[in-house]
Amino acid sequence: GESVGLHLPTLSVQEGDNSIINCAYSNSASDYFIWYKQESGKGPQFIIDIRSNMDKRQGQRVTVLLNKTVKHLSLQIAATQPGDSAVYFCAEIDNTDKPIFGTGTRLQVFP
Amino acid sequence: ETGVTQTPRHLVMGMTNKKSLKCEQHLGHNAMYWYKQSAKKPLELMFVYNFKEQTENNSVPSRFSPECPNSSHLFLHLHTLQPEDSALYLCASSQEGGTEAFFGQGTRLTVV
Repeated sequence: GESVGLHLPTLSVQEGDNSIINCAYSNSASDYFIWYKQESGKGPQFIIDIRSNMDKRQGQRVTVLLNKTVKHLSLQIAATQPGDSAVYFCAEIDNTDKPIFGTGTRLQVFP
Repeated sequence: ETGVTQTPRHLVMGMTNKKSLKCEQHLGHNAMYWYKQSAKKPLELMFVYNFKEQTENNSVPSRFSPECPNSSHLFLHLHTLQPEDSALYLCASSQEGGTEAFFGQGTRLTVV
């Protein structure tokens, strides 16, 4: 079946450094992608999204890159802060409008 | 606060109990979802409701029974659960299928 996966289960970065979280997807028909952040004890929260007609989208300190050729999605966080520590999920919305989530990457920020 | 409220936040129940999880959204959305989140697994979509009609049931065991009385409320009725059903159950809503979903805080369910 279709799948969305993350390359690294845990990512440790030093405060102030940039973080890059990667995601691979396999459904070429997916046309909408979302990154979510889930802090301990909370539900996932929307960070940023991107449509398949774009290859880059920027938010506040976050950038999402989409490479449709290799079906790869990444989330870049600039100047990572302790408050960024969480689990990050990518999700793809396929042609049935159902979101498919990856397993998540835990981002740990150390001083 | 995302506008999606789930109660209770924590629930411990025996295998012979019957309990219900509640979800409420005040965002005017017309699609609501139940997800199961287990350790080290992707979020599993359980049920989808669009305009109060169930449009998706991802082979969920019958011991989980959803109910959507109106577009703002969603319930998950539980009975004769198994210990492996222990997980975080998340409710979400969206304006329509295929757009950003807003999640509640989840109910941490423990079956003993």
